[in-house]
Amino acid sequence: AQTVTQSQPEMSVQEAETVTLSCTYDTSENNYYLFWYKQPPSRQMILVIRQEAYKQQNATENRFSVNFQKAAKSFSLKISDSQLGDTAMYFCAFMLRGYNNNDMRFGAGTRLTVKP
Amino acid sequence: GAGVSQSPRYKVAKRGQDVALRCDPISGHVSLFWYQQALGQGPEFLTYFQNEAQLDKSGLPSDRFFAERPEGSVSTLKIQRTQQEDSAVYLCASSLGGTGRLGYTFGSGTRLTVV
Repeated sequence: AQTVTQSQPEMSVQEAETVTLSCTYDTSENNYYLFWYKQPPSRQMILVIRQEAYKQQNATENRFSVNFQKAAKSFSLKISDSQLGDTAMYFCAFMLRGYNNNDMRFGAGTRLTVKP
Repeated sequence: GAGVSQSPRYKVAKRGQDVALRCDPISGHVSLFWYQQALGQGPEFLTYFQNEAQLDKSGLPSDRFFAERPEGSVSTLKIQRTQQEDSAVYLCASSLGGTGRLGYTFGSGTRLTVV
């Protein structure tokens, strides 16, 4: 079974600074996808960034980037130039690759607070 | 629609009452998912539809939980004889194809409180 672990229940960062959120996962499979979702108080889960395991290049989306270490089964999220609007819960998620695969597993989340 | 719409946004139910939660996915999205998110936790998978077919219901916690998507668009999650442990946010998500490789689009959820 696949599991996702986020070891930091809460983190804070000063506005304009950089913060890194940790995520590790456990799987015996080789082909999968990894995601980071943001959940603000509105409760809607918003996709921040995704990574395909067969791609060695780390994904980047504007101020958000990942450090994907496949051998270590680690998938951390780096937020650069933090903004007040980045304050939210952040969830790491894992999903096996395959048609009709539907089981996206989430970690317990990290609550990020960006301080002015 | 432009996004995944869920209603009601909040629901308070007395223990033993039946509830029905609605999800209106993005138009044309084939796949639809229900997740349960307990307070302070990540979402947990409940069930999955591809069009009108319920292909996976392995996450439904008991036979009091039932989901349907009769015409392959709107879905309803029904909980019979609600219990306090059913209190959670219920999230619906949809995706265009049969795989979720691009990620899911989530709604804002229904917060169910059983008193």
